[in-house]
Amino acid sequence: GESVGLHLPTLSVQEGDNSIINCAYSNSASDYFIWYKQESGKGPQFIIDIRSNMDKRQGQRVTVLLNKTVKHLSLQIAATQPGDSAVYFCAENGDTDKLIFGTGTRLQVFP
Amino acid sequence: EAQVTQNPRYLITVTGKKLTVTCSQNMNHEYMSWYRQDPGLGLRQIYYSMNVEVTDKGDVPEGYKVSRKEKRNFPLILESPSPNQTSLYFCASSFFTGSKNIQYFGAGTRLSVL
Repeated sequence: GESVGLHLPTLSVQEGDNSIINCAYSNSASDYFIWYKQESGKGPQFIIDIRSNMDKRQGQRVTVLLNKTVKHLSLQIAATQPGDSAVYFCAENGDTDKLIFGTGTRLQVFP
Repeated sequence: EAQVTQNPRYLITVTGKKLTVTCSQNMNHEYMSWYRQDPGLGLRQIYYSMNVEVTDKGDVPEGYKVSRKEKRNFPLILESPSPNQTSLYFCASSFFTGSKNIQYFGAGTRLSVL
């Protein structure tokens, strides 16, 4: 597979456990945030988004938490499965017309 | 099926030989963008387009050109590729600005410049 990042932080979890992936964003003016999942050899895939007027948003097995005070975003994956193995990265919009992407965290799920 | 389609998926070329990577979306999105992804650097924006005939430089535009003659297509052109343009390229699209809406990505184009 293709290497998205050779020196990414890695989170290893056991199948069935919950995963928490963290992201510190840089711009206090950011009002829109997205989490993407990137599997080896594929393009980034949208998981969930959240706007700054919310603290929490839930999807199917995923929850995003936003703490604007400390500029912190987290992605929680419930009952992690082997298919969740991928690189996950967050993006913020700052005060521009574009998204600013983090470098990502590699999630490894072992049986 | 809603999608962003890039071609080719893999390309090996030599320095100086002009090439074009195509991108097409079928979601009627106004916003389209090109990114390159390099180890340890994340996604960096090359060029973007807010609508037909409107294009702007991103963070790393040097050595690249784009055009937006039709809403659905946004080709990336490397007039004279160099080895430092060896990278993984992604096209993305979204409604409106691209900064307040979900960007949908293509599967990527792996380019090697020898």
